Amino acid sequence: GQQVMQIPQYQHVQEGEDFTTYCNSSTTLSNIQWYKQRPGGHPVFLIQLVKSGEVKKQKRLTFQFGEAKKNSSLHITATQTTDVGTYFCALSNFGNEKLTFGTGTRLTIIP
Amino acid sequence: DGGITQSPKYLFRKEGQNVTLSCEQNLNHDAMYWYRQDPGQGLRLIYYSQIVNDFQKGDIAEGYSVSREKKESFPLTVTSAQKNPTAFYLCASSMRATGTDTQYFGPGTRLTVL
Repeated sequence: GQQVMQIPQYQHVQEGEDFTTYCNSSTTLSNIQWYKQRPGGHPVFLIQLVKSGEVKKQKRLTFQFGEAKKNSSLHITATQTTDVGTYFCALSNFGNEKLTFGTGTRLTIIP
Repeated sequence: DGGITQSPKYLFRKEGQNVTLSCEQNLNHDAMYWYRQDPGQGLRLIYYSQIVNDFQKGDIAEGYSVSREKKESFPLTVTSAQKNPTAFYLCASSMRATGTDTQYFGPGTRLTVL
């Protein structure tokens, strides 16, 4: 099956610091989605990337799809306590009807 | 108020008993999914269904069974054959079963087998 590496597994940052999580695939992807799961909650869709080299922004969040469509990153600028949670990438190959979720990066904020 | 409901939120069962987790959606989505999440782990796909009366095994289907008799409902049965059933179970749905459709998740059921 498809290998989905997401790093780091855990990240502790001071409030106001930046945060980045990376998602890497062993195969070329058709698209990638990002989800956020708050502690005790369920995953919620954030964004989808489709094009090679695509960059999308949502306020302090910046999402990037690699040129080779094998990796992606999520960067949060000036973290806030509301950013706490686990961030998952979810990958899809061409013609595949399933999403494969990464292992997630758990972000904790030190006030 | 549209969405996905799962009940109950917490479920306790004795070892050796089968248990069925419910999942209902009123989003008119064709596709539905069941995932398992263990502490500190990602989501692993158990079963998914693209349409009524059809379902496919995911990556960890052993010890589980599903049915899809209605578009709105996709119950999951955790059988006694599942060796380590204690986990957080998440149901999701999407418009279609493609890798580009957004998945909407229910609140989850936390199953503990004693």
